Amino acid sequence: AQSVSQHNHHVILSEAASLELGCNYSYGGTVNLFWYVQYPGQHLQLLLKYFSGDPLVKGIKGFEAEFIKSKFSFNLRKPSVQWSDTAEYFCAVTPSGGSYIPTFGRGTSLIVHP
Amino acid sequence: DGGITQSPKYLFRKEGQNVTLSCEQNLNHDAMYWYRQDPGQGLRLIYYSQIVNDFQKGDIAEGYSVSREKKESFPLTVTSAQKNPTAFYLCASCRANTIYFGEGSWLTVV
Repeated sequence: AQSVSQHNHHVILSEAASLELGCNYSYGGTVNLFWYVQYPGQHLQLLLKYFSGDPLVKGIKGFEAEFIKSKFSFNLRKPSVQWSDTAEYFCAVTPSGGSYIPTFGRGTSLIVHP
Repeated sequence: DGGITQSPKYLFRKEGQNVTLSCEQNLNHDAMYWYRQDPGQGLRLIYYSQIVNDFQKGDIAEGYSVSREKKESFPLTVTSAQKNPTAFYLCASCRANTIYFGEGSWLTVV
């Protein structure tokens, strides 16, 4: 079975600071990778996803993530955060093909101070 | 509008009572899921169903039950056997290898 580790549980930044949230997974085969965001009081929304191809994927609201296969990582980045990015961020992984059962990380709570 | 509808959004129940959370989707998705979200623990899979009339236990199925009689519906029953039922419950469905979530249901058992 696969597992997902998010290293930063709580991150506090000031506006305009750069953001990088770590995500590592363990699985021996090919995977699909996702980042979801949950704004306060809202449901989870898909930020971006990687299935294949260019390992640098761009998502909504200026977010991007890079898949580094050798490191089993899929870190989320944003060059300049805004107060409205305050939210909880979840990394998820699922094996490519077969039963589609996503596994989620524990989440990272991001607070951006204006 | 297409989407996943969970109801009720907030629910209070007394200990020892069973409660059923509704999840309906009009996205024509085959696969549906129930997750439980607790602070600091992320999302944990309770049950999933990949086709009508079939469902499988997830990582924390004890104390829960589900049914999948229709493609659109995947209700979750939290039984009195669930030792710590107070939580935020999320229903999801999947198409083209991407999960989509409902808005969630807050269950408080007192």
